[in-house]
Amino acid sequence: IAGITQAPTSQILAAGRRMTLRCTQDMRHNAMYWYRQDLGLGLRLIHYSNTAGTTGKGEVPDGYSVSRANTDDFPLTLASAVPSQTSVYFCASSEDGQFGPQHFGDGTRLSIL
Amino acid sequence: SQKIEQNSEALNIQEGKTATLTCNYTNYSPAYLQWYRQDPGRGPVFLLLIRENEKEKRKERLKVTFDTTLKQSLFHITASQPADSATYLCALDRTNFGNEKLTFGTGTRLTIIP
Repeated sequence: IAGITQAPTSQILAAGRRMTLRCTQDMRHNAMYWYRQDLGLGLRLIHYSNTAGTTGKGEVPDGYSVSRANTDDFPLTLASAVPSQTSVYFCASSEDGQFGPQHFGDGTRLSIL
Repeated sequence: SQKIEQNSEALNIQEGKTATLTCNYTNYSPAYLQWYRQDPGRGPVFLLLIRENEKEKRKERLKVTFDTTLKQSLFHITASQPADSATYLCALDRTNFGNEKLTFGTGTRLTIIP
């Protein structure tokens, strides 16, 4: 079934550790996104990529980095995790970087202790 | 600053009735508005997109209106069913502020009571 695959589905991580959240899509979409979702704050954009080889900062990029080496993969890295990065992380894709529908994965639940 | 408000955190509706959810925004002039459904433990799923020059869009039991004067969108589910219970999110583009990405509201949790 076509869609977005995120891994891991959940993770408990010690503060200060490095962590990479994986995201793969098989729809050949040009644009991909990383969001975090927190109670009362909704979905907030961390980083995005309009096409392979390019990335951009969203609303809350600090402490996170991304890369887009190819069309299908868009990993999100926390270089040194802090407790405030405890959240549910969603990866999404869309056909292009404009305003069409976004397709979401089922998220990674990350707890930083 | 830009702000999106969805009418309430939670809404309970009797089965068979029409559920109406509200999305209000300030300091925006969006070109598009989208509605998503999110079930517990799952990612959001796209439902409908409406453009600024469209007043109304329908899909099966769903209807969305977009009033750019009132800066409001209404999302209706007619003949509601328990399976419609979920959190519904509205999202707008931010073209006018130089960042062409979606901004999401915090959502309304809808419960359809049998």
